[in-house]
Amino acid sequence: QVTLRESGPVLVKPTETLTLTCTVSGFSLTNPRLGVSWLRQPPGKALEWLAHLFSNDEKSYRASLKSRLTISKDTSKSQVVLIMTNMDPEDTATYYCARTTYGSGNYDFDYWGQGTLVTVSS
Amino acid sequence: DIQMTQSPSSLSASVGHRVTITCRASQSIGRSLNWYQQKPGKAPKLLIYAASSLQSGVPSRFSGSGSGTDFTLTISSLQPEDFATYCCQQSYSVPFTFGPGTKVDIK
Repeated sequence: QVTLRESGPVLVKPTETLTLTCTVSGFSLTNPRLGVSWLRQPPGKALEWLAHLFSNDEKSYRASLKSRLTISKDTSKSQVVLIMTNMDPEDTATYYCARTTYGSGNYDFDYWGQGTLVTVSS
Repeated sequence: DIQMTQSPSSLSASVGHRVTITCRASQSIGRSLNWYQQKPGKAPKLLIYAASSLQSGVPSRFSGSGSGTDFTLTISSLQPEDFATYCCQQSYSVPFTFGPGTKVDIK
């Protein structure tokens, strides 16, 4: 079955760099219709899409955060990594990775990891 | 960015009742609209994709409709496990954006 699992630090200090890893199973990162997205949800707030990566190495980033984000993959390890630089307390949120399926002009997030709460505090 | 709004922000309903939630996009998005259910402390779950297609494994009491800027999620007969927050998401253009959510609780 399809699973995704996020891993990374639960606490980072302001100005530090956050590295999150999404380890996937049950599908291939080489499938042209499938990708992995990173999203986040601050406590009590709406979901926010951050970036996605598809098998053809198509990458897309949230424009307002683009200078701080890097998404990459290691197909041999079935992992997708998100790096976010210069962390700020406003980046405190639950971070999710989600399988992204493309079809007929629509992208949807059909499988999700359990999420990891990242707190930014000194 | 395309802004997504939802109404109502919350509602109370009884088991067995029909529930309708509306989502509106700030510009036309065709049918590039998905609906998710989220329970406290859990990841969202995809219910409806491409405005009206039922995700595999989701009960048929859930349905979606609409195109352009106005969309609707309907639960035909509310069940105890349906009490949750529902949000819409557009995938017409990046950044993909979500609505603020509609919380459905027990009346």
